[in-house]
Parts: sequence; C-alpha cells; structure tokens
Amino acid sequence: GAVVSQHPSWVICKSGTSVKIECRSLDFQATTMFWYRQFPKQSLMLMATSNEGSKATYEQGVEKDKFLINHASLTLSTLTVTSAHPEDSSFYICSARGPIIRRGEYGYTFGSGTRLTVV
Amino acid sequence: AQSVAQPEDQVNVAEGNPLTVKCTYSVSGNPYLFWYVQYPNRGLQFLLKYITGDNLVKGSYGFEAEFNKSQTSFHLKKPSALVSDSALYFCAVRVPYSSASKIIFGSGTRLSIRP
Repeated sequence: GAVVSQHPSWVICKSGTSVKIECRSLDFQATTMFWYRQFPKQSLMLMATSNEGSKATYEQGVEKDKFLINHASLTLSTLTVTSAHPEDSSFYICSARGPIIRRGEYGYTFGSGTRLTVV
Repeated sequence: AQSVAQPEDQVNVAEGNPLTVKCTYSVSGNPYLFWYVQYPNRGLQFLLKYITGDNLVKGSYGFEAEFNKSQTSFHLKKPSALVSDSALYFCAVRVPYSSASKIIFGSGTRLSIRP
C-alpha cells in the first residue's frame, strides 16, 4: 500500500536552534501535502498545506516565518521549525494527498509523526 | 464554519460487546467523511471513508460506519470489540470546494476495551 515516510520520528533540540522534519511519499507522487500539529490528548490541528513548486498556504494563526515549509519535489515536503522554543514541543504529523484511488478521487496517507522536544 | 464534533472524550466497552464512537459534522455541500485510528506516538491509520452510495460503510479491522444525512452523523461501530481495538479514534471531513481538499479532524475519542 501507499507509504509516507516521516523522519525523524523523534528529536530533541536546544532552544534557539532549528529543526527540519521530512515527509516523503515513497511510491506515489504527492503534489499536495499537509502538516499537522498535535498536542497531548488533543486533536490534529492543520498548520499548512504544502504545494509542490509553490508557496505553502498557512492556516490562520500559524507563523510562516517560524514554520518554514518547502515542497521542492513531487515526493518530498519539509517542515523547518526555526528558532525553536519549548512551547514548540509537540507531535508533528504530515499527510500526503494520494495516491489516486480512482479518477478524481484521492486517498490521504499519513506519516508516522515526529515528536519534537525543545529543551 | 466547517467543523467535526466527537462528543465523547472516552468510550469504555467490555471485550465482546458492540461499540459505537460518535461523530457529527457541519459542512456545506456534500462531505467526504473519514475515520482514522492512532496508536501511541504513531501517525494515523485509515479505517474507512464515505463519499457516496450506501450509507453503511465497511472498513478495516471489522469496523463500519453509518452515514446519516438528516442527523449529520457518521458514527463508527463494531459488533464485537477486541482489547486490541483500544486506541485513539478520529473522525474527519474533507472540506468541500477547498482547492487543496484539506481535511479537518474531530477532537478524538479514546476507546478503551477491557478484557
């Protein structure tokens, strides 16, 4: 079946440093990927929609300069948390729109998530 | 505003009994509805979806869900619960007419199956 690989699965970093999270579709092309953030015991909050070859679309309240998204190829989107602070500690999950199930209909495939801890 | 509601934070069921996890939605147009399951520190696994057709949708691991347009509900069900079904369950809806077909999630329901 379709697989989205998310790396790293967990990371600990110091305050003020930047962390990059990769989301890669392994066996299908994904022109659109989504980045979610999940706080403990809470739902997934959509942060941004990543479109291959164009700028990401951020949800209201999400800082573009803090959460940099790059979708440079049809199989890879990256989320960089810049100048990380302890309040950025969270579980980040990516999702790719695809693969195609049938004409005009896509599935949604999720990565396994990245646990970020900022100390 | 588009939204998905899961009114129960937690559902407790004895193994072998039927289970129901509730979900209601509020979207304009015809929604695409999904159920996902999440195990600790993991991403989401797809269970089932409703797009059109039969209101009763069958999915993975013996789960099914019933789409009820008049009640704007999409409750997840299973006739006989297993301990291994214990996990966090999310109902989700694809936002109609959004250019990127983004999905929004309910708040999640923790399902606990006791032996």
